[in-house]
Amino acid sequence: GENVEQHPSTLSVQEGDSAVIKCTYSDSASNYFPWYKQELGKRPQLIIDIRSNVGEKKDQRIAVTLNKTAKHFSLHITETQPEDSAVYFCAASQNSGYALNFGKGTSLLVTP
Amino acid sequence: NAGVTQTPKFRILKIGQSMTLQCAQDMNHNYMYWYRQDPGMGLKLIYYSVGAGITDKGEVPNGYNVSRSTTEDFPLRLELAAPSQTSVYFCATSPGLGRLTYNEQFFGPGTRLTVL
Repeated sequence: GENVEQHPSTLSVQEGDSAVIKCTYSDSASNYFPWYKQELGKRPQLIIDIRSNVGEKKDQRIAVTLNKTAKHFSLHITETQPEDSAVYFCAASQNSGYALNFGKGTSLLVTP
Repeated sequence: NAGVTQTPKFRILKIGQSMTLQCAQDMNHNYMYWYRQDPGMGLKLIYYSVGAGITDKGEVPNGYNVSRSTTEDFPLRLELAAPSQTSVYFCATSPGLGRLTYNEQFFGPGTRLTVL
C-alpha cells in the first residue's frame, strides 16, 4: 500500500520567516495530495491541495509543489504568523475509494 | 448546514463494553470514511463507504464494524472494547465520483474515546 513520509516532525520559525514541510510517497498511482492543518483539539482542516496534473499551486501565503518523478511534494508557508502554529499533515490518495494515506504530521511553532 | 457531525464528543468505556460512534452529514456526499488518530501520529483509515449499502476495510479494521444504510449516516461499531482502541475517531466525507472536487475530504469534529 501507499506509504507517506513527512519531514520534519517539528519545526520552529520566527514570525515573518518561511516554513517548508516535505513529504514523499511510494505509490506512483497516487494522484491527489492535500495538506491539512490541525489545531490542538480540533478537526483537520484542508488548507490546500494539488492534483497530479499540476506542478505548483498557490493560495495567498501558502503554496504546494509536486514532483511526480521524484514522488515528493512540499508545503511552503511564507510570512509566517503566530496563528500558523499547528500540526500540518500531508496526505496522498489513489483512485480506490479516494481514502487518504497520511504522513505523521509536522508540529509548526511560530514565535513572535 | 451542519456539515459533518459526530456524537458523542467524549466517551469512556470499560474493557469489553461495546458502543456505536455516530456520524452524519448533510453535504450530499457519496463517500464517507472513518479514521483514528493516535497521539503524535497521522490518521489511519478504519473503514470507508462509497455509497449506501457499500463498505470496505481500510488499514486498521480489526475490532470495528460499519454499516451504511443511508447516504447521510455512517456509524462505527466497537465490539468488545480494548485499551488499544483508545484514540480520537474522525469521520470524513468527500463528494465522490462524478463531482468536480470528487476526493476533497471534510472532517467531523471527532470523538475522543478512552478504554479503561
